[in-house]
Amino acid sequence: DTGVSQNPRHKITKRGQNVTFRCDPISEHNRLYWYRQTLGQGPEFLTYFQNEAQLEKSRLLSDRFSAERPKGSFSTLEIQRTEQGDSAMYLCASEGTGNEQFFGPGTRLTVL
Amino acid sequence: GENVEQHPSTLSVQEGDSAVIKCTYSDSASNYFPWYKQELGKRPQLIIDIRSNVGEKKDQRIAVTLNKTAKHFSLHITETQPEDSAVYFCAPSPHAGNMLTFGGGTRLMVKP
Repeated sequence: DTGVSQNPRHKITKRGQNVTFRCDPISEHNRLYWYRQTLGQGPEFLTYFQNEAQLEKSRLLSDRFSAERPKGSFSTLEIQRTEQGDSAMYLCASEGTGNEQFFGPGTRLTVL
Repeated sequence: GENVEQHPSTLSVQEGDSAVIKCTYSDSASNYFPWYKQELGKRPQLIIDIRSNVGEKKDQRIAVTLNKTAKHFSLHITETQPEDSAVYFCAPSPHAGNMLTFGGGTRLMVKP
């Protein structure tokens, strides 16, 4: 499968726990984006990387959220001390020279 | 920041009819105007996009028209089919290769 992949697909955690999600972009795509989508809403931008550099972060991204893309390939998104309001679908998208953002299947987080 | 609104929020049409969804945006710096389709439980997928130097673009049954002066762009689907049933999002951006700001979505239902 040469598309964007995300792991895990589902995560259930208790409030206060830390969680980490992984995104593997399409090979050689240099831009990688994280979005969050809640039920009935459009995706909301969280942050994006060009290669390994994190270029922009949304005001939505509190201090509990951190993202990395250490070698300019896969990326991780960590949420510390999860809260019930963090429950959402976390979507990753990658973009190459064609400027189209290709989305992964998402990680659905449920915080109990 | 960009304020994006879509109308209508739901649209029900008979198979074979046309459907039009309108997106208004606030940021005059927006120059890239994509439309995404998201089926239930699936990832968003780009169906058509337009750049600000073009007023209209067509791809088979789908077209997008842009009015930069009025800050709105519209998705047109002709000869609708049941498989067109999905949620459609507009997502204007300052330029391709940048974060997308999604509208609230339009749920299109095509009745056979």
